[in-house]
Amino acid sequence: EAGVVQSPRYKIIEKKQPVAFWCNPISGHNTLYWYRQNLGQGPELLIRYENEEAVDDSQLPKDRFSAERLKGVDSTLKIQPAELGDSAVYLCASSGTSSYNEQFFGPGTRLTVL
Amino acid sequence: AQRVTQPEKLLSVFKGAPVELKCNYSYSGSPELFWYVQYSRQRLQLLLRHISRESIKGFTADLNKGETSFHLKKPFAQEEDSAMYYCALSSNGGSQGNLIFGKGTKLSVKP
Repeated sequence: EAGVVQSPRYKIIEKKQPVAFWCNPISGHNTLYWYRQNLGQGPELLIRYENEEAVDDSQLPKDRFSAERLKGVDSTLKIQPAELGDSAVYLCASSGTSSYNEQFFGPGTRLTVL
Repeated sequence: AQRVTQPEKLLSVFKGAPVELKCNYSYSGSPELFWYVQYSRQRLQLLLRHISRESIKGFTADLNKGETSFHLKKPFAQEEDSAMYYCALSSNGGSQGNLIFGKGTKLSVKP
């Protein structure tokens, strides 16, 4: 089993540019999470999906962030336009009905905004 | 407000010494607590959860509702225990709750 796959692993962009992150969860996992982890902090939830439905996006800065999970499998997180403060590691995680709250994390995408 | 506090940013011990990583939480309902670990160049992974009441890699953690704590303990630290440790609280309950993480404690076990 490959685990949660994320790409790219690293991204460097200029401020005001758009950026997108992709996540492929573990096969069969209906729940998908996007977290942001700032330097020296723990992960903070941005959005949670149950299948294709975003059931909790209260922490997603909707003026510049968007996410989608069209077919209930892969997901994309987008920032447009990026700001200096968006530099962080973006983590994707997934969980299944049999894993009882265990979330399986991807390797993350490290974003640097210059 | 729901919050997880890990007061130590860095904990350094010698191999064979006991280790305790502190975690306190603030939650109005019945909490579900977890410890996640991230070894160097690896992804974040679950270490243990309070409902399992099990020992993983020699680590145990007991939920103390009176003190709102969930400290992680190991009687004899090993060098391979060196990692970042995050305490986390499930905010929704049920089977797929959102996790609220602490800031993490870096454990360094010296030879």
